[in-house]
Amino acid sequence: ETAVFQTPNYHVTQVGNEVSFNCKQTLGHDTMYWYKQDSKKLLKIMFSYNNKQLIVNETVPRRFSPQSSDKAHLNLRIKSVEPEDSAVYLCASSNYEQYFGPGTRLTVL
Amino acid sequence: GDSVTQTEGLVTLTKGLPVMLNCTYQTTYSPFLFWYVQHLNEAPKLLLKSSTDNKRTEHQGFYATLHKSSSSFHLQKSSVQLSDSALYFCALSPMSNYNVLYFGSGTKLTVEP
Repeated sequence: ETAVFQTPNYHVTQVGNEVSFNCKQTLGHDTMYWYKQDSKKLLKIMFSYNNKQLIVNETVPRRFSPQSSDKAHLNLRIKSVEPEDSAVYLCASSNYEQYFGPGTRLTVL
Repeated sequence: GDSVTQTEGLVTLTKGLPVMLNCTYQTTYSPFLFWYVQHLNEAPKLLLKSSTDNKRTEHQGFYATLHKSSSSFHLQKSSVQLSDSALYFCALSPMSNYNVLYFGSGTKLTVEP
């Protein structure tokens, strides 16, 4: 049963464009996350957001920024995409165990 | 620092055989260990979890025991099925910060007829 929702499922764009991905959770969890899963299937944490406290993985380029309106929503904006941003972006929420959304597959041409 | 190591990147087995996927971790804090399974084009889903030393935990035919003495949480199943073909991630949450999850590099399990 899906409780972490992501839109869109897929997005194809060109280098330099801005993109935004949405994530909503209906679990009532306090913490949400964004992960990047690359072509080798490695899961890398990008951000975690808890009670308006943002924790950033310092390796994440500055063109990435999370945006939250409330604890049920955590969106991801990429200001000017680059080819290496092509990946699946997974949103998750947690009150200890993490539950993942289905992901958004980004292709940068 | 905190980390998880999965030594096998790819495991291929014939249906009906047993499997063990290795997971070792490093942390200076009390650990909470997880196994996640990700089927093709799906989200990772929690399979097993444990924070209790030397206690076996089971779910859907899979089992694992956290051994703090050897910093291990290996995933096992006595008889794999075709539907078990998936990517398996071991993950660590140090009790000092339960909001953080450190993932291993994953093991792709392929079960052949």
